[in-house]
Amino acid sequence: EADIYQTPRYLVIGTGKKITLECSQTMGHDKMYWYQQDPGMELHLIHYSYGVNSTEKGDLSSESTVSRIRTEHFPLTLESARPSHTSQYLCASWGDYGYTFGSGTRLTVV
Amino acid sequence: GQQVMQIPQYQHVQEGEDFTTYCNSSTTLSNIQWYKQRPGGHPVFLIQLVKSGEVKKQKRLTFQFGEAKKNSSLHITATQTTDVGTYFCAVGSEKLVFGKGTKLTVNP
Repeated sequence: EADIYQTPRYLVIGTGKKITLECSQTMGHDKMYWYQQDPGMELHLIHYSYGVNSTEKGDLSSESTVSRIRTEHFPLTLESARPSHTSQYLCASWGDYGYTFGSGTRLTVV
Repeated sequence: GQQVMQIPQYQHVQEGEDFTTYCNSSTTLSNIQWYKQRPGGHPVFLIQLVKSGEVKKQKRLTFQFGEAKKNSSLHITATQTTDVGTYFCAVGSEKLVFGKGTKLTVNP
């Protein structure tokens, strides 16, 4: 079944650690996105990609980086995690009927 | 960039009551989308509106796009506990800007 997958679902990590949040989709979509959402709050676009080797920063400044080496894979990396990075990170791809979101990664930096 | 104002921020209703959330823009929109996010979940696409004055229905949900394409509404008739969640409108072309959302709680 075509879908979008995010791992891990939950992550608790210490300050200064490097982390990579995984996002993969099996729908063959070219356009993919990362949004950051604090609990109960609005979604902020932090990165997007319109295809392989294409990445752009979103409206919300983020210390994270992304890569798009394969169509189906759009990982997000934090080189040095800080408590201010604690949030939910949602990956999405654009299809015929709007966004399909992954289940998200809830990141806590202690 | 595009912005959209969504009201109210919170709405608490008794089960069986109706619910409406509104999105307003200062600029003309090419389209608007609506998403629902259950507590602890991720946003799920509900519908896209494109035409001026468009009205679409999904069971108890009615979506409207204003004649000037600057506002939209989502109306739920006779709410149920399964309607609980946050409803977001979103605007843009393939790079969406989301409203702040309306959090709906339903008292059984």
